[in-house]
Amino acid sequence: DGGITQSPKYLFRKEGQNVTLSCEQNLNHDAMYWYRQDPGQGLRLIYYSQIVNDFQKGDIAEGYSVSREKKESFPLTVTSAQKNPTAFYLCASSIEGGGSYNEQFFGPGTRLTVL
Amino acid sequence: AQSVSQHNHHVILSEAASLELGCNYSYGGTVNLFWYVQYPGQHLQLLLKYFSGDPLVKGIKGFEAEFIKSKFSFNLRKPSVQWSDTAEYFCAVNKNSGGYQKVTFGTGTKLQVIP
Repeated sequence: DGGITQSPKYLFRKEGQNVTLSCEQNLNHDAMYWYRQDPGQGLRLIYYSQIVNDFQKGDIAEGYSVSREKKESFPLTVTSAQKNPTAFYLCASSIEGGGSYNEQFFGPGTRLTVL
Repeated sequence: AQSVSQHNHHVILSEAASLELGCNYSYGGTVNLFWYVQYPGQHLQLLLKYFSGDPLVKGIKGFEAEFIKSKFSFNLRKPSVQWSDTAEYFCAVNKNSGGYQKVTFGTGTKLQVIP
C-alpha cells in the first residue's frame, strides 16, 4: 500500500525537551511538507522540502527544525524553543514541488502534548 | 502575503439541504485552488481542484466548486447533503513562488449534517 506514515500517533513530552516526529512516504514523491493544525486556525505550514537535502521555512518555522537526508523521510524536531508546541502535526507529500499543479497527500498525523 | 479566508466556521444543515461554503483568497497572480476534506478519524484528502480551463470543477461525492477570478473566490457547493458529508472542509491556494510550491490553507469549515 502506498502512502504516508507518521509515528507515533500520540506523543507526550515534558517542557524543555526536544522531540522528533517521524514522517515516511513510499509514494516516490519529491516534495514533503509539515503542517501544524490548531482548532480554528486551519493548517499552518512549518517547513517544506522540494528535494533531498533542501528545505525551506514555512510561515511558522520558529522552534522547529527538519532534515531531508532521504527522499522518503522528512522528520520534524520540535525544540524546547517552541513556545506552544501542543498541537496536531500533519505531514504531506506531493509529486513534485517545482510546479504548482499537484495535490498533496496527507499522513494520519501526530498529536503532541506537552506536559 | 497570501491569505485564504473561509468565512463560515461551523455550518449545521439537515439532510437534503443545499450547501455552499465560501472561500476567498488574496493573491492576484496565477494560482491553483483546492478543496480538501477531513472526515472524522480519517486523513485529510482531496475533494477537488482547479488548475485552468472550465471554472466549474466537479469533484468526488457530488461536490463542485466555481472559480470566479474577478471575485478571488472558489466556493464549494453540493445540491443535497448527506449525513456522511459531516466533516471539516479546507480551502487551499497553491502558488509557485520562486520555484517553490507554496500552499496556504484556510482556517476550515466544520459541517455537521443532521439526519
